[in-house]
Amino acid sequence: NAGVMQNPRHLVRRRGQEARLRCSPMKGHSHVYWYRQLPEEGLKFMVYLQKENIIDESGMPKERFSAEFPKEGPSILRIQQVVRGDSAAYFCASSQGVGNTEAFFGQGTRLTVV
Amino acid sequence: DAKTTQPNSMESNEEEPVHLPCNHSTISGTDYIHWYRQLPSQGPEYVIHGLTSNVNNRMASLAIAEDRKSSTLILHRATLRDAAVYYCILRGNTDKLIFGTGTRLQVFP
Repeated sequence: NAGVMQNPRHLVRRRGQEARLRCSPMKGHSHVYWYRQLPEEGLKFMVYLQKENIIDESGMPKERFSAEFPKEGPSILRIQQVVRGDSAAYFCASSQGVGNTEAFFGQGTRLTVV
Repeated sequence: DAKTTQPNSMESNEEEPVHLPCNHSTISGTDYIHWYRQLPSQGPEYVIHGLTSNVNNRMASLAIAEDRKSSTLILHRATLRDAAVYYCILRGNTDKLIFGTGTRLQVFP
């Protein structure tokens, strides 16, 4: 059973381009979470999704950022018109359900905007 | 979301036990106490979680106070590989993990 898979591991984009980050949850997990970590800072919650539904997007910037978790395929975090401040590590986690279950994290995608 | 308080940093020598404290005085009855750690340049890693009773697994032990307002993560014999930032998190029915600043553990040979 493979762990949470994120790709790409490293992504370089020029200002104004789009960035697409992919996350394949562990088998059997229907809950996906995205976090952002700026250099030398903590992990900030962005969005929580279940299959085809956004449950909580309270940590997601209102503009340029979107997330989806379709019925088939990986979850996608999309950043449009990237700016230098978007440079960070983006981590995805998955779990089977609520409070009494552990979450498993991927190795992250390190986005660099030049 | 309920909050936790942890020391910013702690130090240990290799092979010694480490006790990482966490205060969560506003914990609700349905909140589970979770611990994760993040090694340098890696994603967070689940360590252990519990509700009321003490818990043990292959990585660590979790001691939970009777009033549940504090807990302690115990690493029985620290190794260099245990050097990481350790996060104590309350996870309730909202189901998302909110990370604080954690405790940076340094392990010396």
